[in-house]
Amino acid sequence: EVHLVESGGGLVQPGGSLRLSCAASGFTFRNYWMSWVRQAPGKGLEWVANIKQDESEKYYVDSVKGRFTISRDNAKNSLYLQMNSLWAEDTAIYYCARVPASNYKYLQHWGQGTLVTVSS
Amino acid sequence: EIVMTQSPATLSVSPGERVTLSCRASQSVSSNLAWYQQKPGQTPRLLIYDASARATDIPARFSGSGSGTEFTLTISSLQSEDFVVYYCQQYNNWPLTFGGGTKVEI
Repeated sequence: EVHLVESGGGLVQPGGSLRLSCAASGFTFRNYWMSWVRQAPGKGLEWVANIKQDESEKYYVDSVKGRFTISRDNAKNSLYLQMNSLWAEDTAIYYCARVPASNYKYLQHWGQGTLVTVSS
Repeated sequence: EIVMTQSPATLSVSPGERVTLSCRASQSVSSNLAWYQQKPGQTPRLLIYDASARATDIPARFSGSGSGTEFTLTISSLQSEDFVVYYCQQYNNWPLTFGGGTKVEI
């Protein structure tokens, strides 16, 4: 069974940094594209970033380009999101998600999410 | 960026009724369209991918159709657990984009 567990969320001041982690199990992590998706309180879903199996391709939503970095460690079955220069608008639940083996970029499996709150 | 527009934002229906949710793309996404269901306080769940393929363990009352720019999600007979929020998502182009969601309420 696919299992994705996010961690690293919390309260951070505007301009601060945070690193999210996602521990994956139940599948061969190195074979799949992975994603981060976020959801602001009471709002809809927003895709944040994707990373290819070997890290050779990374994609970001415009609002986080230059501030967020997606990465992975296939030896540790882990996905990461380094978030710098955080703004109040980055406050959200951040979900780790896995795409299917076909590599089509829909989100087949989701973690439970970790809450990031940016506030002074 | 491809803008995904869902309508209506809220749909008021009765249990047992048939309901159709709409999702429109600002440009063609071929059949690269997924639907998700999100219950309050829960993680989104994949319902439909490739516009019309049901995901694993999704009941047959859920069906998707469309291609290009116009898509629909149909729930043939609403059950109590179906009164939640639904999102569409295109994966034809970067950035991946979601619709704003449709809330189905009693």
